[in-house]
Amino acid sequence: GDSVTQMEGPVTLSEEAFLTINCTYTATGYPSLFWYVQYPGEGLQLLLKATKADDKGSNKGFEATYRKETTSFHLEKGSVQVSDSAVYFCALSDQGGSYIPTFGRGTSLIVHP
Amino acid sequence: DVKVTQSSRYLVKRTGEKVFLECVQDMDHENMFWYRQDPGLGLRLIYFSYDVKMKEKGDIPEGYSVSREKKERFSLILESASTNQTSMYLCASSFRVGNSPLHFGNGTRLTVT
Repeated sequence: GDSVTQMEGPVTLSEEAFLTINCTYTATGYPSLFWYVQYPGEGLQLLLKATKADDKGSNKGFEATYRKETTSFHLEKGSVQVSDSAVYFCALSDQGGSYIPTFGRGTSLIVHP
Repeated sequence: DVKVTQSSRYLVKRTGEKVFLECVQDMDHENMFWYRQDPGLGLRLIYFSYDVKMKEKGDIPEGYSVSREKKERFSLILESASTNQTSMYLCASSFRVGNSPLHFGNGTRLTVT
């Protein structure tokens, strides 16, 4: 079946540092890929998505590129802020299947001033 | 903007009580989902529904049931609450296409004593 593997956290960074959160996936079909963010006390919200190979999703300074050859969708940001402290979830949805998304376990990011 | 509203942010119930968690979405989404979120375990799918009166079991349906009498409303029912059902419960909705992201409510933190 489908699965998503994320790097374990917490990831702790200083403000303005470079961020990478790794995400790899396995899927039987041709999935769409997503990153969601969960701020403290809130539900998840979509951060960015990509629907085909080599697509780059971007939002709020975050980027991720759909790499079919390495089955990866790593999240990056050039300069993190304290306000980016949150839990980040990688997810996939198989377009040819039941449309039920598969989530990774989440990676907590803590940014210190 | 899509709005998914969960009726309670915090609930405290006693063991053996019947508990109803309500979720309403305002975007005419076909799909609705109930997840529970526990530290270290990520999101686990309890039930989902792809149409009115339709329901499918997710990964952890035991001890739960659901009801979807109207398209906009999806209820999660704990027939006899137990302490191991203490958790954060998240409702989500989406269109029924593979690249459609999920829209989440802010969650209900349920404590069973």
